[in-house]
Amino acid sequence: QVQLVQPGAEVKKPGASVKVSCKASGYTFTTHVMHWVRLAPGQRLQWMGWINAGNGNTKYSQEFQGRVTFTRDTSASTVYMELSSLRSEDTAVYYCARGSSGSYYNYADSWGQGTLVTVSS
Amino acid sequence: EIMLTQSPATLSLSPGERATLSCRASQSVSSYLAWYQQEPGQAPRLLIYDASTRATGIPARFSGSGSGTDFTLTISSLEPEDFAVYYCQQRSDWPLTFGGGTKVEIK
Repeated sequence: QVQLVQPGAEVKKPGASVKVSCKASGYTFTTHVMHWVRLAPGQRLQWMGWINAGNGNTKYSQEFQGRVTFTRDTSASTVYMELSSLRSEDTAVYYCARGSSGSYYNYADSWGQGTLVTVSS
Repeated sequence: EIMLTQSPATLSLSPGERATLSCRASQSVSSYLAWYQQEPGQAPRLLIYDASTRATGIPARFSGSGSGTDFTLTISSLEPEDFAVYYCQQRSDWPLTFGGGTKVEIK
């Protein structure tokens, strides 16, 4: 079965960067995009963008453009999300989520358990 | 950016009752809308995509309807595991956006 494994938590200081991993198993890694979505306290789910695990192409939400980078390591079936210039408002649970097959890739059919990123001085 | 507004914010029902959740888009999203369920402490789970198609393994008590700007998720008879938060999401335009969620709680 599809599994997406993320670290449980990260604590960072304002101005720092965080790099969150998402290790995939149970399917052919390179045939799907991987989305990143975050849920901040009291906010709604917020889509950050996706990476095509096959060719490395990326699409970022304009809100995060210039501050977020998605990469992947196909040999390790792992994608990474790096967010820089962290501020307190970035405190949130960050999810990786696999895009569905074919033309439905902008729906997420499997999700990781989430990584709580806390930004605090 | 397409805004999705979900109502009600909270729905208090008993097991066995019917739940009707609404999602309204600020502009037409055609049928490009999904529903997700999130239980406490768990990751979201895809229930419905393209407004009315159940995802793999989703029980038949979950159904979706609507098109354009108005959508409905119906749970025909609530099971104990259905008490959770439900989100809608559109894929019609960038950025992908989610609704604010409806919490279905036990009455």
